[in-house]
Amino acid sequence: GENVEQHPSTLSVQEGDSAVIKCTYSDSASNYFPWYKQELGKGPQLIIDIRSNVGEKKDQRIAVTLNKTAKHFSLHITETQPEDSAVYFCAASTWNQFYFGTGTSLTVIP
Amino acid sequence: IAGITQAPTSQILAAGRRMTLRCTQDMRHNAMYWYRQDLGLGLRLIHYSNTAGTTGKGEVPDGYSVSRANTDDFPLTLASAVPSQTSVYFCASSSAGRIDTQYFGPGTRLTVL
Repeated sequence: GENVEQHPSTLSVQEGDSAVIKCTYSDSASNYFPWYKQELGKGPQLIIDIRSNVGEKKDQRIAVTLNKTAKHFSLHITETQPEDSAVYFCAASTWNQFYFGTGTSLTVIP
Repeated sequence: IAGITQAPTSQILAAGRRMTLRCTQDMRHNAMYWYRQDLGLGLRLIHYSNTAGTTGKGEVPDGYSVSRANTDDFPLTLASAVPSQTSVYFCASSSAGRIDTQYFGPGTRLTVL
């Protein structure tokens, strides 16, 4: 089955700096790559996703890049704010399989 | 407000007892999922249902069962709870299966003593 690895497990940045979280996957059939944000005591919530026919997608301060040849994708958060502090999960999916990474705890220091 | 509800919010359970976690969605989504979340292991799929009347096993199905009698409800049952089932359980749903946005409930924190 799919193996999704996520790094780093923890990340601290100063407010206003950028944060980058990276994931790799093993199944070349994976074609959907969402990113979820989980705040304390809540369920994960989708923040951005990318499909395999696209190399980059941006939504305001958040962007995701995908390299299908190398089987890795990354989340980029620019101009970080304290409310960006949360746990972020990547995932890789085919039509019948869906695997999450192990999560990155992001802390934005005011 | 449309979304997913889970009950109970939290529960402490004696080992060997039977427990059903409830999940209801009002978005008319076809697919529903149960995950457990453990520190350092992320979210792992327990069982899923692609449509009402069908269910399937996920990554960690042992000790759990599900049913999908209708579109809205997807209960998860622990027939005889064990301490290793202590976890936070999330229910989720999606309109078009795995390659679509999954919407998560608020979770149930279960402690098995």
